[in-house]
Amino acid sequence: GDSVTQMEGPVTLSEEACLTINCTYTATGYPSLFWYVQYPGEGLQLLLKATKADDKGSNKGFEATYRKETTSFHLEKGSVQVSDSAVYFCALSDPAGGSEKLVFGKGMKLTVNP
Amino acid sequence: DVKVTQSSRYLVKRTGEKVFLECVQDMDHENMFWYRQDPGLGLRLIYFSYDVKMKEKGDIPEGYSVSREKKERFSLILESASTNQTSMYLCASKNGRALHFGGYTFGSGTRLTVV
Repeated sequence: GDSVTQMEGPVTLSEEACLTINCTYTATGYPSLFWYVQYPGEGLQLLLKATKADDKGSNKGFEATYRKETTSFHLEKGSVQVSDSAVYFCALSDPAGGSEKLVFGKGMKLTVNP
Repeated sequence: DVKVTQSSRYLVKRTGEKVFLECVQDMDHENMFWYRQDPGLGLRLIYFSYDVKMKEKGDIPEGYSVSREKKERFSLILESASTNQTSMYLCASKNGRALHFGGYTFGSGTRLTVV
């Protein structure tokens, strides 16, 4: 079945450090890929998405590129802020799976210190 | 903005009780989902529904049931709560016509503790 594997952490960084969170996937069909973020005490919010190979999603300084050849969707940010402290989830939605459901990675907790 | 509202933020129930978790969305979305979130396990799909009175089992349906009598409301039912159902429960909705191009909208979650 479809699956998502991501770095699990937890990870602690200093403000202005670079961030990369690796994410790879296995899917039957041609999935859409997502990064969701969960701030403390809140539900999940869509951070960015990509629906086809070589698409780059971007939002709030974060970027991720859909790499079909390596089945990856790594999340990157050049300079993190304290406000980026959150749990980050990589996810996919695979139309070949026959439903609208999302498959999530296990999530990675990021703490950014001033 | 689409809103997904979960009726309780925190809930404490006793073992063996029947528990109802309610979720309401205000944007006429066809698809609704219940996930549970546990440390080290991420989010796992319990049940989902793609229309009124329709339901499909997710990856971990055992011990749960659902009800979707109206399009905007999707209820998760724990028939007889057990301590291993202590978890964070997240409801989500999505417009079916958008297929997989759009994201999902999540509620803020209900943290359920079964004692």
